[in-house]
Amino acid sequence: EVQLVESGGGLVQPGQSLRLPCAASGFTFRGYAMNWFRQAPGKGLEWVAFIRNRDHGGTADYAASVRGRFTISRDDSNSILYLEMSSLQAEDTAVYYCSRVKGGYCSGDRCYGGWFDAWGQGALVTVSS
Amino acid sequence: DIQMTQSPSSLSASVGDRVTIACRAGQSISNYLNWYQQKPGKAPKLLIYTASNLESGVPSRFSGSGSGTDFTLTISSLQPEDFAAYYCQQSYNAPFTFGQGTRLDIK
Repeated sequence: EVQLVESGGGLVQPGQSLRLPCAASGFTFRGYAMNWFRQAPGKGLEWVAFIRNRDHGGTADYAASVRGRFTISRDDSNSILYLEMSSLQAEDTAVYYCSRVKGGYCSGDRCYGGWFDAWGQGALVTVSS
Repeated sequence: DIQMTQSPSSLSASVGDRVTIACRAGQSISNYLNWYQQKPGKAPKLLIYTASNLESGVPSRFSGSGSGTDFTLTISSLQPEDFAAYYCQQSYNAPFTFGQGTRLDIK
């Protein structure tokens, strides 16, 4: 059974940092691209970051709202996806979800056409003084 | 960024009704459109991928269609467990944007 389990959420003050791990099991983690999404309280879904698998360079893309502050990374040996968040702001308050990418294509810098078939249960991050 | 617009934003319907939710992309996205269902306090669940492909385990009353800029999700006969929020999402280009969501309530 495919499982994704986020942890590491909590209450942080503005300007602080936090790292969210997402532990994967039930599939060959290193073979898949992965994403982070978030959902602010009462709001819709927002894509945050994407990381390719090693076969496609392991490089990442970011939403403009987090670029330069958040870093997505992966530990294929231990099947863990990470989201390192710094300079956190109140607007970053949300439930953060990791998800697996299935299907799709990568051509040069562009990856497209995939779908997000497995999701974790989410980790709540609250940024407040 | 590719803007995704869903309509309606909310919808009230009864068990057994046929329901259609529309999603429009701000530019052509071929068939790179996915649909998700989300219940309160839960993670999204994939229903339809690449516009019309039913995810394994999803009931056949769900179907998707469209290409280019206009897409629809149809539920042929609403069941009690279908009352939830629904989101379309494009995977044509990063950022992989979502529609604002459609909340489906019991009439």
